[in-house]
Amino acid sequence: DTEVTQTPKHLVMGMTNKKSLKCEQHMGHRAMYWYKQKAKKPPELMFVYSYEKLSINESVPSRFSPECPNSSLLNLHLHALQPEDSALYLCASSLKDKYTDTQYFGPGTRLTVL
Amino acid sequence: QQQVKQSPQSLIVQKGGISIINCAYENTAFDYFPWYQQFPGKGPALLIAIRPDVSEKKEGRFTISFNKSAKQFSLHIMDSQPGDSATYFCAAGSGGSEKLVFGKGTKLTVNP
Repeated sequence: DTEVTQTPKHLVMGMTNKKSLKCEQHMGHRAMYWYKQKAKKPPELMFVYSYEKLSINESVPSRFSPECPNSSLLNLHLHALQPEDSALYLCASSLKDKYTDTQYFGPGTRLTVL
Repeated sequence: QQQVKQSPQSLIVQKGGISIINCAYENTAFDYFPWYQQFPGKGPALLIAIRPDVSEKKEGRFTISFNKSAKQFSLHIMDSQPGDSATYFCAAGSGGSEKLVFGKGTKLTVNP
């Protein structure tokens, strides 16, 4: 099973709302990632959790707050977003072995900020 | 030095033809080169990946060619089908790093 699941599929929120995106994998992967993707652009790395600890934060604004409750779950908490934050938010996971290992992406959450 | 340059930006091929997408990199520390296929509204899916110890890897109709001295790698799609119409991203990573550097993507259209 090489599946990463993400909920919800679509999310519309106002600039004052608080919402969360959820990602789950049951492949035993120890690294999990959040990416942001704008239309016609490649995925842009936001955060990486390695062994449930935040290892990379690509200078993401504090209105995005990641959380890794356990090795299978990854959340992205959203608060006071701007319309320019509207994008496809992708979660990925990888085994985290000694090589640069394969990242498996979820289907994404399409976020619209009004 | 962290860039991966991908070309062409868009490609139109007739059904049954060969689609070729090229990527070039500068960072010699890169040692992992995956290709992802992405359909509209979906997440990228790993298509095929190669490491620099081999010059070619084939999986079905998809082949990666790798030229270490030229720092280039390419994706060949043989017998292209309309169902292959998607955006393709090349990427590069280096051992121990959790970061992948993505190319800008190629939109492939295969006409029936």
